[in-house]
Amino acid sequence: DSGVTQTPKHLITATGQRVTLRCSPRSGDLSVYWYQQSLDQGLQFLIQYYNGEERAKGNILERFSAQQFPDLHSELNLSSLELGDSALYFCASSGAGLESNEQFFGPGTRLTVL
Amino acid sequence: AQSVTQLDSHVSVSEGTPVLLRCNYSSSYSPSLFWYVQHPNKGLQLLLKYTSAATLVKGINGFEAEFKKSETSFHLTKPSAHMSDAAEYFCVVSGGFQKLVFGTGTRLLVSP
Repeated sequence: DSGVTQTPKHLITATGQRVTLRCSPRSGDLSVYWYQQSLDQGLQFLIQYYNGEERAKGNILERFSAQQFPDLHSELNLSSLELGDSALYFCASSGAGLESNEQFFGPGTRLTVL
Repeated sequence: AQSVTQLDSHVSVSEGTPVLLRCNYSSSYSPSLFWYVQHPNKGLQLLLKYTSAATLVKGINGFEAEFKKSETSFHLTKPSAHMSDAAEYFCVVSGGFQKLVFGTGTRLLVSP
């Protein structure tokens, strides 16, 4: 158990809909990262937050957005969903220092868009 | 930009025989390198990490990896495979702002 929690575990929705994925980092971790794992794209970095501020962006679509709240949990919002958004979405967190680069991953949320 | 190349998409071994999963990296500066393992329907677990200390890195479950700058390689090895080692393995390099750049993965199959 990494200490990172994600909800829900599974999500099934229809095209055009909007969903919110939630992540709670390990106690004390200030950085939260979101990754997408799909069959055709592999594991891709989406976005990072550090202590409430957006820190880095990867291959995140404009239809997707994220935020980190004062209690450090994070949410990933996916809107206008398409079939190709079906994937496993991972959240990871890392330690208090900006230099800490060891990331601990949650169990993931499996999103299925029908 | 940082990148990693996993040279084999699948590796098959027999239980009790050595494991070698190959990874080459590309980095414009001294990299941080990791190996993660993903068991079916599970999350990602860190096996080991290299962060410019000792070039031979020991990880969990008997795995180790050697950082070779001259060959830009970071191969993962284990002397004796166990059935429970069957999983997907990812070689990873740390990019800017600690974001991780994943390889395409190597599926390890272990036969009895």
